[in-house]
Amino acid sequence: DTGVSQDPRHKITKRGQNVTFRCDPISEHNRLYWYRQTLGQGPEFLTYFQNEAQLEKSRLLSDRFSAERPKGSFSTLEIQRTEQGDSAMYLCASSSFDRHSDVLTFGAGSRLTVL
Amino acid sequence: GENVEQHPSTLSVQEGDSAVIKCTYSDSASNYFPWYKQELGKGPQLIIDIRSNVGEKKDQRIAVTLNKTAKHFSLHITETQPEDSAVYFCAASIGIKAAGNKLTFGGGTRVLVKP
Repeated sequence: DTGVSQDPRHKITKRGQNVTFRCDPISEHNRLYWYRQTLGQGPEFLTYFQNEAQLEKSRLLSDRFSAERPKGSFSTLEIQRTEQGDSAMYLCASSSFDRHSDVLTFGAGSRLTVL
Repeated sequence: GENVEQHPSTLSVQEGDSAVIKCTYSDSASNYFPWYKQELGKGPQLIIDIRSNVGEKKDQRIAVTLNKTAKHFSLHITETQPEDSAVYFCAASIGIKAAGNKLTFGGGTRVLVKP
């Protein structure tokens, strides 16, 4: 069990560009969550998957954001036409619905800087 | 929706002293209250959690108390050590298995343990 892996760890991009983040959850975990954390604040829920199904999206997730988990394993979060306000840490977490369904394990995050 | 307030925002203690962080929540339906520790450059790491059917839980130097009537919960760290220096987040969720465990986080407390 190598924990939750996120890639890339850091991304610097220019406004208007598209970026994609990848998350590999703990292998036996069937739930996957995305959170956003801005500097000095607590994480905010964006969306979550159970297996490949995206079951809920926060209103924070504008039309420029899309998340997928095509085979119920890794997930990607894409931001199109990035804006400076998108600069944040994007955290992925996973949990096991069948056993410890409430316990989220977070990855180290992907930090996005939009210039 | 749920709102979680956390105090203080910063806390400085001498090594060996105790540290207390307090959180209040707004949604009486919340029944799961985890605490996360976040070190610089890392994702949040679960340190202890409590469910609404329990009033207090301890794990070595860490304890959490929950008062459901007053809708507040607290983290107590005894015999603080320099490695306890980090940002601590409280969180709350309804934690319904079928609906996913969407955490609402407090704003965080930066703890500094001075040797």
